[in-house]
Amino acid sequence: AQSVTQLDSHVSVSEGTPVLLRCNYSSSYSPSLFWYVQHPNKGLQLLLKYTSAATLVKGINGFEAEFKKSETSFHLTKPSAHMSDAAEYFCVVSDLRNNAGNMLTFGGGTRLMVKP
Amino acid sequence: DTAVSQTPKYLVTQMGNDKSIKCEQNLGHDTMYWYKQDSKKFLKIMFSYNNKELIINETVPNRFSPKSPDKAHLNLHINSLELGDSAVYFCASSLRTGGSFETQYFGPGTRLLVL
Repeated sequence: AQSVTQLDSHVSVSEGTPVLLRCNYSSSYSPSLFWYVQHPNKGLQLLLKYTSAATLVKGINGFEAEFKKSETSFHLTKPSAHMSDAAEYFCVVSDLRNNAGNMLTFGGGTRLMVKP
Repeated sequence: DTAVSQTPKYLVTQMGNDKSIKCEQNLGHDTMYWYKQDSKKFLKIMFSYNNKELIINETVPNRFSPKSPDKAHLNLHINSLELGDSAVYFCASSLRTGGSFETQYFGPGTRLLVL
């Protein structure tokens, strides 16, 4: 079975300061990992994904995440927060269910707040 | 332009009613999904269809019945609505099944409120 734990339900940063959203996972297989962002009253947008290629993954809007197998972590970072980054962020692990469908398991989400 | 679309965007209804939510994707994908997001923002998969065939059914009450008339559409019908069905329902699609690395593309969500 797979699971995802987002260690912080809320993170507050000042505009222009770094962002760190933490994620730990467990998976029986070599996982694929994703970060999705959900702006208020909107759908989910893919930020980036890890699929066993480079361990440092670059995504959209200046976000990146590093896959660390030894720590079972996939933390999301951004050097400098922007007001438009305020949203809910979901760390997601993907698993093949009986080779018949990839199933996403979502973390509980981290709400990022950006102060001016 | 819209990749994955859902209708309606908002749905307010009384307990005991039957309602449907429609989903369409114009990405040419083979696989479609329904997810439920509860009031605490927790997202969980409900169903997955590949080329009109059900492949994942995550212990959802049988009041929920997905229907896929073709691979571009996956509708969700809910019978005898209950208060606990209030949630945001997301449709998603991916190019194919059989790869854990496949990106799923999400619709804007349908906000269901049962009174």
